[in-house]
Amino acid sequence: AQKITQTQPGMFVQEKEAVTLDCTYDTSDPSYGLFWYKQPSSGEMIFLIYQGSYDQQNATEGRYSLNFQKARKSANLVISASQLGDSAMYFCAMREGLAAGNKLTFGGGTRVLVKP
Amino acid sequence: DAGVTQSPTHLIKTRGQQVTLRCSPKSGHDTVSWYQQALGQGPQFIFQYYEEEERQRGNFPDRFSGHQFPNYSSELNVNALLLGDSALYLCASSLVRVGDEQYFGPGTRLTVT
Repeated sequence: AQKITQTQPGMFVQEKEAVTLDCTYDTSDPSYGLFWYKQPSSGEMIFLIYQGSYDQQNATEGRYSLNFQKARKSANLVISASQLGDSAMYFCAMREGLAAGNKLTFGGGTRVLVKP
Repeated sequence: DAGVTQSPTHLIKTRGQQVTLRCSPKSGHDTVSWYQQALGQGPQFIFQYYEEEERQRGNFPDRFSGHQFPNYSSELNVNALLLGDSALYLCASSLVRVGDEQYFGPGTRLTVT
């Protein structure tokens, strides 16, 4: 079974609007972390936001927020007030266990294109 | 504060050859992980090095091997290259203990012809 599923291969969003990127995960480990990364065409993975399995509040980082629904095993990324520079691939990833060095398992990604 | 660096940026090799990719971790980090990202897919974990030993390994054949040096830098070696090894190879560094995310380098794009 896929550990991380991103069901939206690609999305268009109008500049200044909000967009939600879906991510569902599967793990039996009670301790895990969920990450979102942005990958522009240059290839570098840029860390956006992190949610730990024991965190009570949904994570927020500037225009990024994570809608964490533990019972549904979903961790959707919301980007508010989209900008042209947000056009990129977005990957959801999971780390099982709390150690920072543990491997990341990535989803297949969602390509976002912001229209002016 | 230098981030994660990788060399070379691009590489073209012929099927059957061997290749070595290099990674220098972010200052202060002691753990290096390597990922392979085929075109149009998410990265796949290859292996991780800590204290100069392989700590975790993903589902990759023995043709993929690595090394970590005392200064925490790392190499990824791939022998007997196949066309399917063409990918972006990403290096990520972190601290092994709890509390930090993995920081990625810009990657090395390998093309096997």
